[in-house]
Amino acid sequence: DIQMTQSPSFLSASVGDRVTINCKASQNINKYLNWYQQKLGEAPKRLIYNTNNLQTGIPSRFSGSGSGTDYTLTISSLQPEDFATYFCLQHNSFPLTFGSGTKLEIK
Amino acid sequence: QIQLVQSGPELKKPGESVKISCKASGYTFTDYAMHWVKQAPGKGLKWMGWINTYTGKPTYADDFKGRFVFSLEASASTANLQISNLKNEDTATYFCARARAPYYVMDAWGQGASVTVSS
Repeated sequence: DIQMTQSPSFLSASVGDRVTINCKASQNINKYLNWYQQKLGEAPKRLIYNTNNLQTGIPSRFSGSGSGTDYTLTISSLQPEDFATYFCLQHNSFPLTFGSGTKLEIK
Repeated sequence: QIQLVQSGPELKKPGESVKISCKASGYTFTDYAMHWVKQAPGKGLKWMGWINTYTGKPTYADDFKGRFVFSLEASASTANLQISNLKNEDTATYFCARARAPYYVMDAWGQGASVTVSS
């Protein structure tokens, strides 16, 4: 199974900050990496698919990058509605595996 | 628009069974597989497996073999998850999510169905 190590687990930041969240795979996942945002009591929402493709309707302040085993989600200028939990998902091979999540909190 | 609408919350006793439904609309049901994901309280997401909505063939992750069954009512564009012999550790929210590799993997999710197992 591919292990996804996500960091940091918690992140405290202010509106307007630039933040990055990382996922490291235990083996090459060929850019088959999605990023999701989840707010309390809601379903996850896909932000980025296949490393760097922005989901329709998602603001351009969200971006993704990476290759091989290392992937990054960047939020260029935090907005109040961005405070949530973020997960990565690798879909290169079964079983699909998620990162453990990053809770982004207001400083 | 694409929607996956799941059934409501369930409160069950240990040893009982539960069936959760996921009704799809806004797309051709059999064009996308349906995946199931577990989220225990305060925890992250865990992939349970998927069902081929065209053939009906289910595939289960190792931790979900035995008591978990994926099924379809294709004529109703509905996927179901049945859990038998419920245990306290099955208390969780269960999500369905559609997928068609490589671009549409879990691009749309149900709202989640809460299952609480308590004596």
